[in-house]
Amino acid sequence: RKEVEQDPGPFNVPEGATVAFNCTYSNSASQSFFWYRQDCRKEPKLLMSVYSSGNEDGRFTAQLNRASQYISLLIRDSKLSDSATYLCVVTFPRGSQGNLIFGKGTKLSVKP
Amino acid sequence: DADVTQTPRNRITKTGKRIMLECSQTKGHDRMYWYRQDPGLGLQLIYYSFDVKDINKGEISDGYSVSRQAQAKFSLSLESAIPNQTALYFCATAWYDGYTFGSGTRLTVV
Repeated sequence: RKEVEQDPGPFNVPEGATVAFNCTYSNSASQSFFWYRQDCRKEPKLLMSVYSSGNEDGRFTAQLNRASQYISLLIRDSKLSDSATYLCVVTFPRGSQGNLIFGKGTKLSVKP
Repeated sequence: DADVTQTPRNRITKTGKRIMLECSQTKGHDRMYWYRQDPGLGLQLIYYSFDVKDINKGEISDGYSVSRQAQAKFSLSLESAIPNQTALYFCATAWYDGYTFGSGTRLTVV
């Protein structure tokens, strides 16, 4: 099982749609969780951290399920500008990966 | 100025040449990282450093070397560039609230 797995997509949705991404991780010792957004040929940028109690930032909601070892990102009322690749990021106790593991990303395309 | 600055932004080099990619940060973070990204493969860790005297290999360090000249500077070198090192390279710094990436260096080896 890969350390951090995401559905690569692409997810093609119309404007206004609600879309959800899931990410699973293999190491139960994982400590912190994030969602990053990456536009084409640009650097990844932090979208939001993911807390155990779940958290919301405007149209974006992130949730963590430690028992099942997955995190999710929900985007409501999708905008054209939401089109990007969304990276799931998980931190571990210090190890060979420098303690942070990236998923390969889920590509979202929002259409008019 | 950007928190994490990478130079050059774009570079074309010939096979066999030595090339250095530079990264500097103004965030005061101890942790610095070099990643490469290829289409469809996600980010792959090349090297990371937790402080000036602590440098570690990542998952794809072969063919690369690094130098942590100071807390703020972390350079990546390709000793003898080969075409399959053509990729987008990112430097990043880290704190407990996540990573900050530089804008990337697009390297093409011909």
